[in-house]
Amino acid sequence: NAGVMQNPRHLVRRRGQEARLRCSPMKGHSHVYWYRQLPEEGLKFMVYLQKENIIDESGMPKERFSAEFPKEGPSILRIQQVVRGDSAAYFCASSPPTGVGNEKLFFGSGTQLSVL
Amino acid sequence: QQPVQSPQAVILREGEDAVINCSSSKALYSVHWYRQKHGEAPIFLMILLKGGEQKGHDKISASFNEKKQQSSLYLTASQLSYSGTYFCGTANNNDMRFGAGTRLTVKP
Repeated sequence: NAGVMQNPRHLVRRRGQEARLRCSPMKGHSHVYWYRQLPEEGLKFMVYLQKENIIDESGMPKERFSAEFPKEGPSILRIQQVVRGDSAAYFCASSPPTGVGNEKLFFGSGTQLSVL
Repeated sequence: QQPVQSPQAVILREGEDAVINCSSSKALYSVHWYRQKHGEAPIFLMILLKGGEQKGHDKISASFNEKKQQSSLYLTASQLSYSGTYFCGTANNNDMRFGAGTRLTVKP
């Protein structure tokens, strides 16, 4: 059973370009979480999604950032018109349908976004 | 609302003990503990589901005081491999938030 798969591992973008980060949860998992981590800092919550629904996006900036988790395919975190401040590691995590209250989160290896 | 962790950083000698605390202003349903090595993904350590519950494996254990909305992680007889950043996570309604982390450095 493959773990949480994130790609790409490293993504370099110039200011103003778009960044698309992909996350395939573990098989059977229907809850996906995205976190951003700046160097030497904590895991900052961005968004929590279930299949085809955004449950909580309170940690995500209102502008330029969007997330989706379609019925088929991976979850996508999209950052439009990237700026240098978007440079960070973005981690995706998934949990089974029973939810994270009783079950652990499984993390992907992260995507390191660098904006030039 | 993210939980608050203390201390921010700890430096130990091999064999020494450490305690990392995690508190929340909201009632907690469960508390998770993860460890992250530099440049890697966080790895699950343990989850505590009800007040007063204590868990442990090896020389790492944790307690959960639901009434005080607090959890503590205990590392005894620390090993070099314990170095890393420890995060507590609190789950309410499946919403998972993490503390800012405690950086633990174990020196020989």
